[in-house]
Amino acid sequence: AQKITQTQPGMFVQEKEAVTLDCTYDTSDPSYGLFWYKQPSSGEMIFLIYQGSYDQQNATEGRYSLNFQKARKSANLVISASQLGDSAMYFCAMSEGAGFQKLVFGTGTRLLVSP
Amino acid sequence: EPEVTQTPSHQVTQMGQEVILRCVPISNHLYFYWYRQILGQKVEFLVSFYNNEISEKSEIFDDQFSVERPDGSNFTLKIRSTKLEDSAMYFCAIERGTDRTKETQYFGPGTRLLVL
Repeated sequence: AQKITQTQPGMFVQEKEAVTLDCTYDTSDPSYGLFWYKQPSSGEMIFLIYQGSYDQQNATEGRYSLNFQKARKSANLVISASQLGDSAMYFCAMSEGAGFQKLVFGTGTRLLVSP
Repeated sequence: EPEVTQTPSHQVTQMGQEVILRCVPISNHLYFYWYRQILGQKVEFLVSFYNNEISEKSEIFDDQFSVERPDGSNFTLKIRSTKLEDSAMYFCAIERGTDRTKETQYFGPGTRLLVL
């Protein structure tokens, strides 16, 4: 079974609008972390936001917020006020267990922001 | 400023040749990871390295792969006899280990390997 599922291969949004990128996860470990990374066409992996399984509040980092619904096992990324520079691949990832653990990635969603 | 740099940025090699990919952290991190991303696919874990030892490796990380920290700072991934299917982007990642971001991995810019 897939640990991380991103069901949207591609998404389109107009500049200045908000967009939600979906991510569901599967784990039986009570301690885990959820991450979103951005990969522009240049190829680097840029960390965006982190949510711990025990965090009571949804994580926010500037225009990025994570809609964490633990019972549904979903960790959707919300980008507010989209900019042209947000066009990129977005990957959801999870680490299981406490401490330093490997990341398991989803297949990604390609976001295209149009003027 | 990036947490970690990688060299080379691109490498083209012939099948069967050995390649060494290097990861240079800015600070003295203890935890390192190598991942690879075949073109158009998701990022896959290869190996994690802690305190100069492998702590976990995936099934991809077979006998053709090895990692070491030869001089206490640089961190290398060696592929002994490259195959066509080793063509991919290889990422090194580190963890800062601070309280707020202790579980967050920061990726280097990657090395794009092409095996002909």
